Amino acid sequence: SQELEQSPQSLIVQEGKNLTINCTSSKTLYGLYWYKQKYGEGLIFLMMLQKGGEEKSHEKITAKLDEKKQQSSLHITASQPSHAGIYLCGADRYGGSQGNLIFGKGTKLSVKP
Amino acid sequence: KAGVTQTPRYLIKTRGQQVTLSCSPISGHRSVSWYQQTPGQGLQFLFEYFSETQRNKGNFPGRFSGRQFSNSRSEMNVSTLELGDSALYLCASSTRPSGGELFFGEGSRLTVL
Repeated sequence: SQELEQSPQSLIVQEGKNLTINCTSSKTLYGLYWYKQKYGEGLIFLMMLQKGGEEKSHEKITAKLDEKKQQSSLHITASQPSHAGIYLCGADRYGGSQGNLIFGKGTKLSVKP
Repeated sequence: KAGVTQTPRYLIKTRGQQVTLSCSPISGHRSVSWYQQTPGQGLQFLFEYFSETQRNKGNFPGRFSGRQFSNSRSEMNVSTLELGDSALYLCASSTRPSGGELFFGEGSRLTVL
């Protein structure tokens, strides 16, 4: 079955700095989801990428999907304390649309004011 | 529109006991998935229900079971609790089965003593 590896595991940045989180799949990506989680709470959907080369933005967060590299990146511009949390990538479990989502172990982001 | 509601939010049990967790999906959502989240293993898929039928099951022992009712509400049960079952249990609903955007509840935090 498919596995997702996220890097880095944790990240501490100064407010205003840019940062990038990566998610690499062990199999072909047919769809990639990004979620954000505040500690001990549920996940909040950020965006979904379906096609290779696709790029989506929401406020200061941009995500890209590189189908050939089986990788997605999440980029935050001019980080703010409100961006702090755990970012998780998710993909269809069997690398297609047959199963439910699996997730990476997450990247913990802290933003220093 | 009300979000996904999970009850109870927190509970403490002792080894050997059993526990039942409840999830009410967003109105109109017929697919409910359950996940276990621990610091070591991250977010792991338990099972998915759609229209009262279990569609997918993760790699968990038979002590973990679930069901879905005709109103799409779902319950999961863990019998003969072990210390390692301490985790945040998250429920997610969606309009369609097998992937797609998931809407998560805030979770039920189970502590096994």
